[in-house]
Amino acid sequence: DVKVTQSSRYLVKRTGEKVFLECVQDMDHENMFWYRQDPGLGLRLIYFSYDVKMKEKGDIPEGYSVSREKKERFSLILESASTNQTSMYLCASSSIRGSPLHFGNGTRLTVT
Amino acid sequence: DQQVKQNSPSLSVQEGRISILNCDYTNSMFDYFLWYKKYPAEGPTFLISISSIKDKNEDGRFTVFLNKSAKHLSLHIVPSQPGDSAVYFCAATDAGGTSYGKLTFGQGTILTVHP
Repeated sequence: DVKVTQSSRYLVKRTGEKVFLECVQDMDHENMFWYRQDPGLGLRLIYFSYDVKMKEKGDIPEGYSVSREKKERFSLILESASTNQTSMYLCASSSIRGSPLHFGNGTRLTVT
Repeated sequence: DQQVKQNSPSLSVQEGRISILNCDYTNSMFDYFLWYKKYPAEGPTFLISISSIKDKNEDGRFTVFLNKSAKHLSLHIVPSQPGDSAVYFCAATDAGGTSYGKLTFGQGTILTVHP
């Protein structure tokens, strides 16, 4: 069974802090994704990666960056956290184009 | 620009009856559609999918229907059970293009099944 693990379930950070969200998958998947979930807006894609060191912007990349130094690990970075980045962050992975994404349990980030 | 829309924020159904969740899309390049279910404090889990070459796909109590001309899909759950109470997300992708499997999601519909 595919496992996608997000390092933190809950995080509270202050405005202006640099925040790292970590995600690890154990199925040798090529593709990895970061989404955020907000009420009434569904899941929106922030960034994705289709290979090590490769990254592509999603629909809402502003204020975020990513890092993929190893195939199994995909990190989301908030360069300077702001209150409008308070959200549920979901990491996902998939093996081939169009195959179902497998999600982690999410990180609930609160920026105060 | 919401390319995938779920216009019903919530749906309430009696146990044993049918639940019908609806989804509309605008992007003609989408050719693969999925439904995910999400419980609180958990990540979404894949439920069922359909390719644009089909108009129906069944898996047990779950059936997805696709109407390409109307750019509309629906998820039917029969019979509904209290354990089906969750948020349901519709998603779409351009599987034949260069999307690398990224999914575009709708806003979600909260399904509540009453005993």
